[in-house]
Amino acid sequence: AQSVTQLGSHVSVSEGALVLLRCNYSSSVPPYLFWYVQYPNQGLQLLLKYTSAATLVKGINGFEAEFKKSETSFHLTKPSAHMSDAAEYFCAVKDTGNQFYFGTGTSLTVIP
Amino acid sequence: DTAVSQTPKYLVTQMGNDKSIKCEQNLGHDTMYWYKQDSKKFLKIMFSYNNKELIINETVPNRFSPKSPDKAHLNLHINSLELGDSAVYFCASSQDLRAPNTEAFFGQGTRLTVV
Repeated sequence: AQSVTQLGSHVSVSEGALVLLRCNYSSSVPPYLFWYVQYPNQGLQLLLKYTSAATLVKGINGFEAEFKKSETSFHLTKPSAHMSDAAEYFCAVKDTGNQFYFGTGTSLTVIP
Repeated sequence: DTAVSQTPKYLVTQMGNDKSIKCEQNLGHDTMYWYKQDSKKFLKIMFSYNNKELIINETVPNRFSPKSPDKAHLNLHINSLELGDSAVYFCASSQDLRAPNTEAFFGQGTRLTVV
């Protein structure tokens, strides 16, 4: 079965600092990997997705993620955090049966 | 134009009542889902439908019954509501099995509070 693990349920960074949110996946076949963001009282919004075209994926709002097969990782980064980045972030993997499996989420706090 | 819309956005009801949440998608997707998000933000898949057929029914009490009248709609009916049913319920949709690299689109959620 597919699964993802997000290390760190809470991450705090200073405004302007690097954001690094970790995600490791478990998949027996080439995975389809996604990062979603959830702002307070809203639904999940796609940040970016890996679909095997390129290992470095750029998403919205300056976020990017790098797929590393040797480490089974798909960590999310942003060079400089903004206050508006404060939200819940979810990593997800999709199997060949069209089912999504979400990580437990990481709450990002940005300190002014 | 809202891609995935669910109603109501908020639902407060008493224990023992029966309630429904409606979901509609205008994306032409074949697969629809219901997720439950608890107070710790954990997202748990409840049901998955593909072309109106049930694909996944996770360990959800049979008080929860999904209904898909057509592939654009997936409603969730809950009987005999319990305090533990309080959560945010999300509807989502994605393209079918022929497009495995496509993402899921989520509705805005329904915050259910059982008192």
